[in-house]
Amino acid sequence: EVQLVQSGAEVKKPGESLKISCKGSGYRFPSHWIGWVRQMPGKGLECMGIIYPGDSDTRYTPSFQGKVTISADKSISTAYLQWSSLKASDTAMYYCARDNQQDGFDIWGQGTMVTVSS
Amino acid sequence: EIVLTQSPDTLSLSPGERATLSCRASQSVNTYLAWYQQKPGQAPRVLIYDASNRATGIPARFSGSGSGTDFTLTINSLEPEDFAVYYCQQRRNWPLTFGGGTKVEIK
Repeated sequence: EVQLVQSGAEVKKPGESLKISCKGSGYRFPSHWIGWVRQMPGKGLECMGIIYPGDSDTRYTPSFQGKVTISADKSISTAYLQWSSLKASDTAMYYCARDNQQDGFDIWGQGTMVTVSS
Repeated sequence: EIVLTQSPDTLSLSPGERATLSCRASQSVNTYLAWYQQKPGQAPRVLIYDASNRATGIPARFSGSGSGTDFTLTINSLEPEDFAVYYCQQRRNWPLTFGGGTKVEIK
């Protein structure tokens, strides 16, 4: 079965760092782009950036550039999204999704809820 | 950045009725447009890609049309499980962008 499994929910304080993960299975992980999508409470979907695990080529949506880091380790079929200093406004559900090019984001992780509160 | 505007914000319909959702792009995206469905507490799932192609396992009552800047998602004869939020997404230019969503609710 082709799937993406994300790490569990996190509760953090402002200023803390965080790295969440997304593990792929059932397909050639290095050969497909992985995207990260933010959904703030009660709001819509925003693409944060994408990474090609095969060579770690990464693209960021301008509004997220410099605020998060996207990385991948193809040897363990895992992509990551990390923050160095969280803010309350980072509270959201974060999804990873396989970007199958013209087929769209065709496989989604279950989401990781990140709550940032003092 | 290409802005996608979806309308209406909310569509109130009864099971069995037809739903017509609109997505308008701020500049041409050719047919590089996808539609997603999201139910409460679930991740989105792709319904339509390349404007008019149904994704694997998507029922035939879902159809997409359009090109350039104007796109439509049609759901013929709404089933109870179709009441959800629908998003369009373009991949013509980076960054990839989503529309704000249309909620299809039970009337």
